[in-house]
Amino acid sequence: DTAVSQTPKYLVTQMGNDKSIKCEQNLGHDTMYWYKQDSKKFLKIMFSYNNKELIINETVPNRFSPKSPDKAHLNLHINSLELGDSAVYFCASREESVTGELFFGEGSRLTVL
Amino acid sequence: AQSVSQHNHHVILSEAASLELGCNYSYGGTVNLFWYVQYPGQHLQLLLKYFSGDPLVKGIKGFEAEFIKSKFSFNLRKPSVQWSDTAEYFCAVNGRSGNTGKLIFGQGTTLQVKP
Repeated sequence: DTAVSQTPKYLVTQMGNDKSIKCEQNLGHDTMYWYKQDSKKFLKIMFSYNNKELIINETVPNRFSPKSPDKAHLNLHINSLELGDSAVYFCASREESVTGELFFGEGSRLTVL
Repeated sequence: AQSVSQHNHHVILSEAASLELGCNYSYGGTVNLFWYVQYPGQHLQLLLKYFSGDPLVKGIKGFEAEFIKSKFSFNLRKPSVQWSDTAEYFCAVNGRSGNTGKLIFGQGTTLQVKP
């Protein structure tokens, strides 16, 4: 069973379109994250939710809107896609402890043409 | 400012060579330190982590890392690499207090092991 699963794995779309990436974790974790990995492989946090509540919102354009319908799901909706949004988006969840590691999904590669 | 710096961007080694990847961090307060690995086309997996106790931590696949508090470093080592170790390696840090779990990553090091 995949612990953190994301769909779709690949997404190719035109500039200006709106798209969503979905994430689900079956680990029972309360906290979930979205990270963006750019073309240079640099990983940067975007958002975090704890039990459906937004707890981290880094400097991200408001075209990006996360939604957490329940603690096992964290979706990412992107409006008016731009070329610079092309990246791999990783979802992650965290076990609840002071030292809790993050468990990552397999990533969703978004290409904006 | 909170940051992680990995000194080596691209390392090329032959099989059986020894590996050391440098990682330094800047973070106020007590920290947890991590090394993640990303094999080609795959997600990030935890190699090892340090949160307290023995500063020399052992991880999966023969990797180890040493936390040197005075140097703000957490270097990754492996005595003898294999071709299958070819991957991207990320050092990461988060704070112990008020921990939202937010991980700050280094830029990553690409390791290429030649058979």
